[in-house]
Amino acid sequence: EVQLVESGGGLVQPGGSLRLSCAASGFSFSDYSMSWIRQAPGKGLEWVSTLTNRGYSTYYPDSVKGRFSMSRDNSKNTLYLQMSSLRPEDTAIYYCAKGRDYGDYWGPGTLVTVSS
Amino acid sequence: DIQMTQSPSSLSASVGDRVTITCRASQSIDRSLNWYHHKPGKAPKLLIYAASTLQSGVPSRFIGSGFGTDFKLTITSVQPEDFATYYCQQSYGTPPTFGQGTKVDIK
Repeated sequence: EVQLVESGGGLVQPGGSLRLSCAASGFSFSDYSMSWIRQAPGKGLEWVSTLTNRGYSTYYPDSVKGRFSMSRDNSKNTLYLQMSSLRPEDTAIYYCAKGRDYGDYWGPGTLVTVSS
Repeated sequence: DIQMTQSPSSLSASVGDRVTITCRASQSIDRSLNWYHHKPGKAPKLLIYAASTLQSGVPSRFIGSGFGTDFKLTITSVQPEDFATYYCQQSYGTPPTFGQGTKVDIK
């Protein structure tokens, strides 16, 4: 059974940093692209970034470019999202998903709150 | 970015009803359209990809159709577990973009 579990969310002050993790199991993690998607309170879903199985980034929207960075450790079956210079508008539930063009499996998400 | 517009934004239905949600793209996206089901606090779940292909394990009461700019998700007989928010998402252009969601609740 495919499982994705995000962790690392929490309350952080504006300008701060946070690293999210996504632990994957139930599939050959190193063979698949992985993505992060977020949902701000009361808003829709926004695709944040995608990383290929070989570690190539395919996309960052302008809203996070230069501040967010994805990485992966295929030996640990874990995906990461390093977030820096956080802004209140980055407040959201962050989901990791298996896949590049669409997410065929998602985790339940981790909440990031950026507030002073 | 390709804009995705869903309608309606919400609807009420009774168990057993037939429900249809539409999704329109701001430009042609061929058949690169995916549908998700999402309940608060849970992981979003892929229902249909490539406009009409049912994801493994998804009940056959979910039917996707469409091509180009206009797409539909039909639930032929709504079940209690189907009350949720539904999102369409295009995977034709970068970035992938979502519709604003359609909330299906109990009448």
